[in-house]
Amino acid sequence: NAGVTQTPKFRILKIGQSMTLQCAQDMNHNYMYWYRQDPGMGLKLIYYSVGAGITDKGEVPNGYNVSRSTTEDFPLRLELAAPSQTSVYFCASSSTGGGSVAYEQYFGPGTRLTVT
Amino acid sequence: GEDVEQSLFLSVREGDSSVINCTYTDSSSTYLYWYKQEPGAGLQLLTYIFSNMDMKQDQRLTVLLNKKDKHLSLRIADTQTGDSAIYFCAEKGRGGYNKLIFGAGTRLAVHP
Repeated sequence: NAGVTQTPKFRILKIGQSMTLQCAQDMNHNYMYWYRQDPGMGLKLIYYSVGAGITDKGEVPNGYNVSRSTTEDFPLRLELAAPSQTSVYFCASSSTGGGSVAYEQYFGPGTRLTVT
Repeated sequence: GEDVEQSLFLSVREGDSSVINCTYTDSSSTYLYWYKQEPGAGLQLLTYIFSNMDMKQDQRLTVLLNKKDKHLSLRIADTQTGDSAIYFCAEKGRGGYNKLIFGAGTRLAVHP
């Protein structure tokens, strides 16, 4: 299994541009998440999804949008990029139970985004 | 509310033990986790402890949980340079989607 994959690894955007960060998982997990990590800070939840077609806001959703058309994919859309969105973005997934007794989240390698 | 706090830095000598501490606020948390983040990488689950346990040992790792004080610690025995990383404490939060509340992370530096 590849686990959770994210593309791109790095990206530089100009203010006002838009882009989509891609995330995919091959573990058949129902739950998926997007976090941002700012220097010296913990992870802040942007959006999450409990299954295909169902998404909800986390702590810091402003400036972002998500969709979940399949179990595997959970893209994050940035519209009108701003310098405050410079961060490292992590996608994660989690099982609803069964084999994953501890309900842990599995993380992708991250996308480092700079907005200038 | 739900909050997790950790100290930001720890420096140890190679071969010594490292102890990383964490406090959390939600006494109803059922699971507590330790994640490791190496430079330029995502978070990797190191270990977890269920709330009805006081201690869990896994090779060089020992997790201690004090529910009364809402204090969690991670001890790494015989710390190696490969253990240099950021360690995140997290608690399973309320909500039906396996929500995790993360601390800010403790940067562990191992020196010769």
